[in-house]
Amino acid sequence: NAGVTQTPKFQVLKTGQSMTLQCAQDMNHNSMYWYRQDPGMGLRLIYYSASEGTTDKGEVPNGYNVSRLNKREFSLRLESAAPSQTSVYFCASSDGQGSFYGYTFGSGTRLTVV
Amino acid sequence: AQSVAQPEDQVNVAEGNPLTVKCTYSVSGNPYLFWYVQYPNRGLQFLLKYITGDNLVKGSYGFEAEFNKSQTSFHLKKPSALVSDSALYFCAVRAPFSGGYNKLIFGAGTRLAVHP
Repeated sequence: NAGVTQTPKFQVLKTGQSMTLQCAQDMNHNSMYWYRQDPGMGLRLIYYSASEGTTDKGEVPNGYNVSRLNKREFSLRLESAAPSQTSVYFCASSDGQGSFYGYTFGSGTRLTVV
Repeated sequence: AQSVAQPEDQVNVAEGNPLTVKCTYSVSGNPYLFWYVQYPNRGLQFLLKYITGDNLVKGSYGFEAEFNKSQTSFHLKKPSALVSDSALYFCAVRAPFSGGYNKLIFGAGTRLAVHP
């Protein structure tokens, strides 16, 4: 009964380094999402994938790329990390279409860029 | 465009007193409204939702929310606060997009502090 699993939980990067945040869900959900959470800013959508094979930009996509590897997995890549990308990143999934009952969230990745 | 406002950054309540965390929304069409809670260093957990039906929705941990269409509000309430209710609370509204898919738009969050 894992739900949404994110790895790693914590990461420190140097400016300019790259990394990939991994997300996997085991609920057979169609849609997956990446958010970042910053103090006083709430949750801002970075990218989303409505269904396997599709991805779209959210509110704050600059500096990020995503891959929907299969129905289960949705990864977020930082090609050249910047201090402004210091944040807590959350992955979420939902059944997307039709009856929409909200999201299931992962436990988050706390990223610090120095 | 869909939007959500949580007008209070923080709400302070004494334990045992009733609590209210406010949320107003703007949507086109029928609203799907949600409350999530985030405890320190954790992900967001679903509390309750309104999709249709009774305006008073009951959720987890004794929380409830009242949907008011005329005031476009969906305030979160609890009759008697516990110290363990101290957390960050997010209101969210469904935002449909093409192909019949959905995503959530979140408010900025309200920190609830319950004092002994």
